Amino acid sequence: ETGVTQSPTHLIKTRGQQVTLRCSSQSGHNTVSWYQQALGQGPQFIFQYYREEENGRGNFPPRFSGLQFPNYSSELNVNALELDDSALYLCASSQTPGQGLLKFFGPGTRLTVL
Amino acid sequence: DQQVKQNSPSLSVQEGRISILNCDYTNSMFDYFLWYKKYPAEGPTFLISISSIKDKNEDGRFTVFLNKSAKHLSLHIVPSQPGDSAVYFCAANSLSNAGKSTFGDGTTLTVKP
Repeated sequence: ETGVTQSPTHLIKTRGQQVTLRCSSQSGHNTVSWYQQALGQGPQFIFQYYREEENGRGNFPPRFSGLQFPNYSSELNVNALELDDSALYLCASSQTPGQGLLKFFGPGTRLTVL
Repeated sequence: DQQVKQNSPSLSVQEGRISILNCDYTNSMFDYFLWYKKYPAEGPTFLISISSIKDKNEDGRFTVFLNKSAKHLSLHIVPSQPGDSAVYFCAANSLSNAGKSTFGDGTTLTVKP
């Protein structure tokens, strides 16, 4: 097992900028889910990608977008950053949307928006 | 409207005693529940899960109980150890989309030596 990895570990941006966060899924897992965890709260579902297509979205605006690649890597892009986007961003992989509970989370990327 | 609630933000117990963490949910469509443990600067680590067709699942020191009629689940840790000190999250899923979990806000457990 290679585990789930994320990069970068920490990131500081200013309001209005754009950011790209990266995730490398567990080997063999073709589903990736992204979560936002604000301070003092539980993770909130942003969206899920399965076979390079968005497959479910939480209550996040369109400026949150993603990409998934055939090599089990994926990206979360956030445009027009706002102060409230400051959070820990987590990705998790699973085998398919209907199988494999979220047992494998990455360590997260801490985003600070100034 | 928060569908998964952990009403105790913190819990402190003595080493060797039982820790009981509680979680309530409102959506009866949830059919799978998970508990995670999280240390600072790390992602959540899966601990134990339970299907809605069961009322108990045990794994070593960890036992999860599910009361469907009350829409309540609890995690028991026996005996508690100082290394168990962390934030614990419960999460609920529909198996039709296992990647979309609804999390509670967590309970910080402190186990005192």
